[in-house]
Amino acid sequence: GENVEQHPSTLSVQEGDSAVIKCTYSDSASNYFPWYKQELGKRPQLIIDIRSNVGEKKDQRIAVTLNKTAKHFSLHITETQPEDSAVYFCAALGYQKVTFGTGTKLQVIP
Amino acid sequence: EPEVTQTPSHQVTQMGQEVILRCVPISNHLYFYWYRQILGQKVEFLVSFYNNEISEKSEIFDDQFSVERPDGSNFTLKIRSTKLEDSAMYFCASNGLAGGEQYFGPGTRLTVT
Repeated sequence: GENVEQHPSTLSVQEGDSAVIKCTYSDSASNYFPWYKQELGKRPQLIIDIRSNVGEKKDQRIAVTLNKTAKHFSLHITETQPEDSAVYFCAALGYQKVTFGTGTKLQVIP
Repeated sequence: EPEVTQTPSHQVTQMGQEVILRCVPISNHLYFYWYRQILGQKVEFLVSFYNNEISEKSEIFDDQFSVERPDGSNFTLKIRSTKLEDSAMYFCASNGLAGGEQYFGPGTRLTVT
């Protein structure tokens, strides 16, 4: 089955700096890669996603890159703000099964 | 904006009891999912459901689990005989397109004592 690895598990950055979170996946059939932000006690919220036919996607301060050959994808957050502090999960979707990464706890220090 | 809803928000049950967690997906969605998240851990896929049958299930989704869409609006997860390790947050999700954005409900926190 699909295996998604996510690094780092924790990340602290100064406000205004960039944050990068990386994921790798194992199943070449996976074709949809969402990123979720989860605040404590809340549901995961989709922040950006990318499909396998696209290499990069950007939405304001958030961008995702995908390298299908290497089977890895990354989340980039620029100009980080304290409200970006949360746990971020990557995920990979195959047919109808979603596999999540282990999460990255991002702390933005004011 | 339409949202996925889940009831109850918190369920406390004794080990060995049956529980049913309820979800109302977004009305025009066709694909439904259940996930669980043990406190402090990652979100784990349990099952996907389309066209009144299970599409995919994980190794977690054993014979103790079942799903049902008893009417046109509800989507339920049943755990027949709960174990302590079933304590977790259970999220329902739905989407309208295969492989598209999934909309998560607020979750049901299940506590098995």
